[in-house]
Amino acid sequence: AQSVTQLDSQVPVFEEAPVELRCNYSSSVSVYLFWYVQYPNQGLQLLLKYLSGSTLVKGINGFEAEFNKSQTSFHLRKPSVHISDTAEYFCAVNNNAGNMLTFGGGTRLMVKP
Amino acid sequence: EAGVVQSPRYKIIEKKQPVAFWCNPISGHNTLYWYRQNLGQGPELLIRYENEEAVDDSQLPKDRFSAERLKGVDSTLKIQPAELGDSAVYLCASSSGTLSLGGDTQYFGPGTRLTVL
Repeated sequence: AQSVTQLDSQVPVFEEAPVELRCNYSSSVSVYLFWYVQYPNQGLQLLLKYLSGSTLVKGINGFEAEFNKSQTSFHLRKPSVHISDTAEYFCAVNNNAGNMLTFGGGTRLMVKP
Repeated sequence: EAGVVQSPRYKIIEKKQPVAFWCNPISGHNTLYWYRQNLGQGPELLIRYENEEAVDDSQLPKDRFSAERLKGVDSTLKIQPAELGDSAVYLCASSSGTLSLGGDTQYFGPGTRLTVL
């Protein structure tokens, strides 16, 4: 079985400040890791994913994430956020069998002017 | 390239009524997924199709939920009869299957927001 924990349900931050959204996972097998963003009344959009290779993954909109196998984490970061980054962010894990993409509960990023 | 299309976007029904959701995946995508997203939570997989075959429906409540993907393209998810607890957003996603399945990117539609009164 696999699971994902997003430690923060809400993260308020001022515009142009850096932000980190935390994600920890558990799985008995090798995994693939994803971050999705969901804007209000819209579906999920892929920000970035880790499949293999370099543990630092760069995605769209200036986001990046680092895979840490020893800490079973995949935290999402952005050095300077914009108002437009206000959204719900979901971390997800899938295994090599590909049977199920498991999502965390989400983190609401609220960027204040 | 057109994305995943879902309809309707919103649906309000009385409990015990039937309801159906429709999904058109990205052209050429063989794998189609239905998820349910409860308020304030992440999506949960209901069923996964490879072409027209349902290969993972272990999370689908089969007493009232049914799904089909005739001809391996469009898909319909049905609830009959609906209960108050079925209020949620129902998301459809598709993937190409060009990578190993676990690493394949899933592309999501905008979802159908169901309210059961």
